[in-house]
Amino acid sequence: AQSVAQPEDQVNVAEGNPLTVKCTYSVSGNPYLFWYVQYPNRGLQFLLKYITGDNLVKGSYGFEAEFNKSQTSFHLKKPSALVSDSALYFCAVRALSGTYKYIFGTGTRLKVLA
Amino acid sequence: DAGVIQSPRHEVTEMGQEVTLRCKPISGHNSLFWYRQTMMRGLELLIYFNNNVPIDDSGMPEDRFSAKMPNASFSTLKIQPSEPRDSAVYFCASRGGLAGHEQYFGPGTRLTVT
Repeated sequence: AQSVAQPEDQVNVAEGNPLTVKCTYSVSGNPYLFWYVQYPNRGLQFLLKYITGDNLVKGSYGFEAEFNKSQTSFHLKKPSALVSDSALYFCAVRALSGTYKYIFGTGTRLKVLA
Repeated sequence: DAGVIQSPRHEVTEMGQEVTLRCKPISGHNSLFWYRQTMMRGLELLIYFNNNVPIDDSGMPEDRFSAKMPNASFSTLKIQPSEPRDSAVYFCASRGGLAGHEQYFGPGTRLTVT
């Protein structure tokens, strides 16, 4: 069965420090992987995706993510966190068989402390 | 583009009443998704359409829930009769064609059933 795991419910980081939000996946074949961010009382907003090509993908607001096939991971990173990055982050994978639906992780709350 | 439009933004209703949530996807997008978000269960896919045809409705909780997409620019999610446990934020998302694998979410409808 295809699945996505975000092992941390919350990540705290000091402003200016690098941040990492973890995501691992289980899927048949080559995955399409995504990160979304949700601010309070808003819908999810697309940050970045991995489809094919370079393992390091860059997205909005200075975020990047590294696709690691051997570790089946797609961790979200940012070199220097801002207080405004505080939000709920979702990892998602698109199944490439069956009904091709998207599977979302449970979300990780990022708190950047001033 | 105005993005995905959902209405109403807030709905408060009494148990047993019919509730209809509406969604207008981004023009040109050919896939539409309905999600429900609660603190307890996180983000759940209810149903998704491709080219106006329902592809996977395995997430629809029970027969009280129904969804339609009569044309490419409009979809409804109906709950009849509503129950307090249906209280949640309901999101609609759309995705465009072969080149656009990411989903774009609407602002959500916050439903409260008393």
